[in-house]
Amino acid sequence: GQNIDQPTEMTATEGAIVQINCTYQTSGFNGLFWYQQHAGEAPTFLSYNVLDGLEEKGRFSSFLSRSKGYSYLLLKELQMKDSASYLCAVVDSNYQLIWGAGTKLIIKP
Amino acid sequence: GAVVSQHPSRVICKSGTSVKIECRSLDFQATTMFWYRQFPKQSLMLMATSNEGSKATYEQGVEKDKFLINHASLTLSTLTVTSAHPEDSSFYICSASRGPPEMNTEAFFGQGTRLTVV
Repeated sequence: GQNIDQPTEMTATEGAIVQINCTYQTSGFNGLFWYQQHAGEAPTFLSYNVLDGLEEKGRFSSFLSRSKGYSYLLLKELQMKDSASYLCAVVDSNYQLIWGAGTKLIIKP
Repeated sequence: GAVVSQHPSRVICKSGTSVKIECRSLDFQATTMFWYRQFPKQSLMLMATSNEGSKATYEQGVEKDKFLINHASLTLSTLTVTSAHPEDSSFYICSASRGPPEMNTEAFFGQGTRLTVV
């Protein structure tokens, strides 16, 4: 079967750095997305990785290791508005998106 | 980024009635549109994929006669929940992509629709 694993919940302090991990076992791999979703709202795009390595975009960075079936989203200089769920999604060999359940990130002052 | 508008954002309907949800790509042509459903604290669940001008492809377990999807133009797709029941109450989200799935183009999400069936 296909599986995406993310921690259910994480807590971090305002101004700090947090890393949200995502491991996947899918039938094929054609890219990995990270989305941010605030409660009651639709997800918004954060990043897309298809090659190994680190992609940096402002305060957010995403890393991919295809051989390990592993990705992480790194959030720096955390702000209260970063409190949200972070969804990892993998594109499989049929070009379908397989979604993780999301990681709820709680930011404390 | 591209804008996808979903309407309405919230709807309450009586059991047995039908509800139509619209998804529009405002500044780009969407070859492919996706409809998702999300239950509280759960992952997005893909319901169907629609390509402009052709019939939607439904995921296993999704009733095509209950969830009617029409993708009549490159900027509009609609999801109609027919004969709604309380168990259909959920958050429905559409997303639109410029290219077909195999092109791995980014998908842009609508704001979502909170459906409550009473």
